[in-house]
Amino acid sequence: KAGVTQTPRYLIKTRGQQVTLSCSPISGHRSVSWYQQTPGQGLQFLFEYFSETQRNKGNFPGRFSGRQFSNSRSEMNVSTLELGDSALYLCASSLAIEGGNYGYTFGSGTRLTVV
Amino acid sequence: GDSVTQMEGPVTLSEEAFLTINCTYTATGYPSLFWYVQYPGEGLQLLLKATKADDKGSNKGFEATYRKETTSFHLEKGSVQVSDSAVYFCGIMDSWGKFQFGAGTQVVVTP
Repeated sequence: KAGVTQTPRYLIKTRGQQVTLSCSPISGHRSVSWYQQTPGQGLQFLFEYFSETQRNKGNFPGRFSGRQFSNSRSEMNVSTLELGDSALYLCASSLAIEGGNYGYTFGSGTRLTVV
Repeated sequence: GDSVTQMEGPVTLSEEAFLTINCTYTATGYPSLFWYVQYPGEGLQLLLKATKADDKGSNKGFEATYRKETTSFHLEKGSVQVSDSAVYFCGIMDSWGKFQFGAGTQVVVTP
């Protein structure tokens, strides 16, 4: 079955612009989580969506937002880009049934460079 | 809150050496435990998991045992290869599906 698909793979934006990243989870997975990965900070949790509702949120400014559609596809948006937003953004999907113990399946990520 | 602590890297080994990466966690309840691996330029791949105390996860020669008494989930491999060079992440997931990763440990295997 198809894995988690993230688009685009690479992106270059200018400071002040905004960007939208897309994630298509594995079919049947209703939970989608987003992570930011940088050399200095490691993997940092952005947010998680389950059945179109944001269920968990990390400690990122309001410039970072996301949403999930009825088909479980998710997008994250970053407005007013800063140089420090340059990172690999990873999306992960999970069955995430309450009380379950399923892990995440990750996409290959979107490499965002802000110049 | 929940947290995961991994040994810092990089860990540099010669081919066929024994690898151990320590991982300890703090959590309420009984989380599931995972090891993920990230190869250069790629996302994270699930390596193995364990869902209850004394479970042993294994895959590709790697093993880790869920030790509730020491809240640990150390990763081991008896004989590493150059292709095992990667960053390894320990993670825990609570019953609500909330995931917490460690900082990652880079492993470098030399021929």
